[in-house]
Amino acid sequence: QVQLEESGGGLVKPGGSLRLSCAASGFTSSDYYMGWIRQAPGKGLEWVSYISSSGSTLFYADSLKGRFTISRDTAKNSLYLQMDSLRAEDTAVYYCASLSPGIWFREPFYFDYWGQGTLVSVSS
Amino acid sequence: DIQMTQSPSSLSASIGDRVTITCRTSQSISNYLNWYQQKPGKAPKVLIYAASSLQSGVPSRFSGTGSGTDFTLTISSLQPEDFGTYYCQQSYSTPLTFGGGTKVETK
Repeated sequence: QVQLEESGGGLVKPGGSLRLSCAASGFTSSDYYMGWIRQAPGKGLEWVSYISSSGSTLFYADSLKGRFTISRDTAKNSLYLQMDSLRAEDTAVYYCASLSPGIWFREPFYFDYWGQGTLVSVSS
Repeated sequence: DIQMTQSPSSLSASIGDRVTITCRTSQSISNYLNWYQQKPGKAPKVLIYAASSLQSGVPSRFSGTGSGTDFTLTISSLQPEDFGTYYCQQSYSTPLTFGGGTKVETK
């Protein structure tokens, strides 16, 4: 059974940093592209970033470039999101998700398996 | 960036009703369009991918149509468990974008 479990969220002051982790089980996450999506309280979904199965290709939402860094550790079957220079508007639940295999073939793809999310609150 | 315009933003319908949600994109995305359902406090779940393909395990009352810039999610006969918020999402190009959501409430 595929499971994704995020951790690392919490309360941080503006300008601070947090590192989110996403532990995968039930499948070899390194075979898949993986990504992060966030949802501010009471708001819609916003894509943050995704990383290729090899880790060589990274994509970010334009508004986050330079502050957030996605990475993965294949040995630990884990995905990470390093968040620096945090702002109040980064307050959200952060979900990790796997991307369906269609992305390998430049075919339609979707966010397949999702974690339960971890809450990041940025406030003084 | 590809803008996603979803409508309506909310709706209230009776059990058994046919419900239709539309999603319009700012440029053609072929069939690179997905639909998700989200319930309060839970992660989204994909219902339809590639505009019209039903995800495994999703009831057949859900269907998707469209191509290019105009897409539709239809629930043929609304059930009590279908309450929640529905989002469209394009995977044609980065940045990946979501529609603003449609909150479905049962009367």
